[in-house]
Amino acid sequence: TQLLEQSPQFLSIQEGENLTVYCNSSSVFSSLQWYRQEPGEGPVLLVTVVTGGEVKKLKRLTFQFGDARKDSSLHITAAQPGDTGLYLCAGEDDGQNFVFGPGTRLSVLP
Amino acid sequence: GAGVSQSPSNKVTEKGKDVELRCDPISGHTALYWYRQSLGQGLEFLIYFQGNSAPDKSGLPSDRFSAERTGGSVSTLTIQRTQQEDSAVYLCASSLMGTLNTEAFFGQGTRLTVV
Repeated sequence: TQLLEQSPQFLSIQEGENLTVYCNSSSVFSSLQWYRQEPGEGPVLLVTVVTGGEVKKLKRLTFQFGDARKDSSLHITAAQPGDTGLYLCAGEDDGQNFVFGPGTRLSVLP
Repeated sequence: GAGVSQSPSNKVTEKGKDVELRCDPISGHTALYWYRQSLGQGLEFLIYFQGNSAPDKSGLPSDRFSAERTGGSVSTLTIQRTQQEDSAVYLCASSLMGTLNTEAFFGQGTRLTVV
């Protein structure tokens, strides 16, 4: 079973601060995705990374896939209260099954 | 439909009763997933369907849990003799098979409360 770990589990910061959350595994994934889940909603895809070393930017969010395709990071610049939510990473294994990490719960205080 | 639809959105049941949760995936999506999310937690994988078959049932927590999918579309997750620890949000997702970079589209979930 391929497992994903995420850190930190919880993060509370002030508006305007920068932050990085991490997703790690001992397994190689063919692709890795980041989702954000807001209360009462299902997770929504933010980005998919496929190539080792790949960096993708989505406004204030920067996603990086590790060279060995086992880990990823999400960096948020100048966090805003609207960024509050549960950030989940998910790996797509060769069977095209989605394996989710436990998530990082982010709270951005105004 | 335009998105993944789950019903009911909320279900309160007495301990020991059976419940049936329904998921209507996006039309044309052959992969369907069930996850469970306890309060404040991440997603716990339950079961995965490719078409009507379930190649991975490893996440079902006990034999009280079962799921089926007919016609490659609607899926039902059945929990028999519910227990209080079954209380959680049950999320369904679907995706398009056969391609890399497939996105899992989630429903809003069914919030199950066992009293």
